Amino acid sequence: ILNVEQSPQSLHVQEGDSTNFTCSFPSSNFYALHWYRWETAKSPEALFVMTLNGDEKKKGRISATLNTKEGYSYLYIKGSQPEDSATYLCAFPGSYNQGGKLIFGQGTELSVKP
Amino acid sequence: ETGVTQSPTHLIKTRGQQVTLRCSSQSGHNTVSWYQQALGQGPQFIFQYYREEENGRGNFPPRFSGLQFPNYSSELNVNALELDDSALYLCASSLRTGRVAGYTFGSGTRLTVV
Repeated sequence: ILNVEQSPQSLHVQEGDSTNFTCSFPSSNFYALHWYRWETAKSPEALFVMTLNGDEKKKGRISATLNTKEGYSYLYIKGSQPEDSATYLCAFPGSYNQGGKLIFGQGTELSVKP
Repeated sequence: ETGVTQSPTHLIKTRGQQVTLRCSSQSGHNTVSWYQQALGQGPQFIFQYYREEENGRGNFPPRFSGLQFPNYSSELNVNALELDDSALYLCASSLRTGRVAGYTFGSGTRLTVV
């Protein structure tokens, strides 16, 4: 059974702090890793799809790195703002014969206080 | 370009009843996936439809069924509702299937079974 773990479960930071959190996934048969940002009462929003070991992707103040050999990805937020408050989900695709199944972690809930 | 629309947004049903949830996919997308998110967990894959055919199924009983229509909109039907079916149901559409496909999510239908 594939397991995707995220840590920490929740994080409270002050505006201006930089923060990071972790997604751990099975390192064997890696294909891709997805990151989503989900604000309360809105739709999950795709941030990144990462496929290459050592890959680093950036979107504004948010960036992500990938280590497929050891099975983890970090998401960094530089200079957190209150509007960054959301749940950040990572997802690992199922095997090729499982359709487009994504296996999600339980998420990291980020709260940024002004 | 419209996003993914789900209806209704909230629903209360009695145990044993049947429910139908609806999803309009993003314009141009031919693939729809359904997820269930119970409290405190990440979304769990129910199934995916690609060009009106089921393209993968998660670990859900047969009383969870679906349809995709020629316009690529979709329905999720749940028969014989149980209390544990209370959850947020998310629909996601994409241009194609596959493990690196980018998904656009709706904001979900909150189902409460009493």
